[in-house]
Amino acid sequence: DTGVSQNPRHKITKRGQNVTFRCDPISEHNRLYWYRQTLGQGPEFLTYFQNEAQLEKSRLLSDRFSAERPKGSFSTLEIQRTEQGDSAMYLCASTEGGWGNEQFFGPGTRLTVL
Amino acid sequence: DAKTTQPTSMDCAEGRAANLPCNHSTISGNEYVYWYRQIHSQGPQYIIHGLKNNETNEMASLIITEDRKSSTLILPHATLRDTAVYYCIVRSLNTGTASKLTFGTGTRLQVTL
Repeated sequence: DTGVSQNPRHKITKRGQNVTFRCDPISEHNRLYWYRQTLGQGPEFLTYFQNEAQLEKSRLLSDRFSAERPKGSFSTLEIQRTEQGDSAMYLCASTEGGWGNEQFFGPGTRLTVL
Repeated sequence: DAKTTQPTSMDCAEGRAANLPCNHSTISGNEYVYWYRQIHSQGPQYIIHGLKNNETNEMASLIITEDRKSSTLILPHATLRDTAVYYCIVRSLNTGTASKLTFGTGTRLQVTL
């Protein structure tokens, strides 16, 4: 257990539905990252927060995706009008202090879109 | 960030040293080499990182060649719990960026009895 929690751990939804995932980082960590991982591939960066500010978004993050981090604590990732191609593991990571510090990853939320 | 090349898979006998190579021939002067691993059904876990000197911690050793174009992660006494996918990542610590991790497909290490 790294101290980063994600909920739910698994989500099955039908195409076209909206889903929301939550990440609770380690409490003193000011930086939070979202990654997506498909089968057989390494995680891919989606977006990054420093405190409550979303400072960078990947081109992978289409208009159907939105992420928030109100108050600089937990974060949510919402996918609207899900597509089968959204099926993946969604990972959250947090870190503190300097830019080179290790990122602590949560266990991920596995999304299956039917 | 520079691209890395790793073997797809490796086997290692339990108790022996596991040596995982990584090529990063286009690495630039301000880029570090990081290693993470991912055990099945878990998120990635940090192992070690270095710039140009060899590094050692309680988990592993990192050997970086003098020209910095390649590196080797060494697990000195592999156990079954070290079975995982190991990712070699070149990472810029430019404070103007998110300092995100760019993962490749990694090396799947299988430790056997």
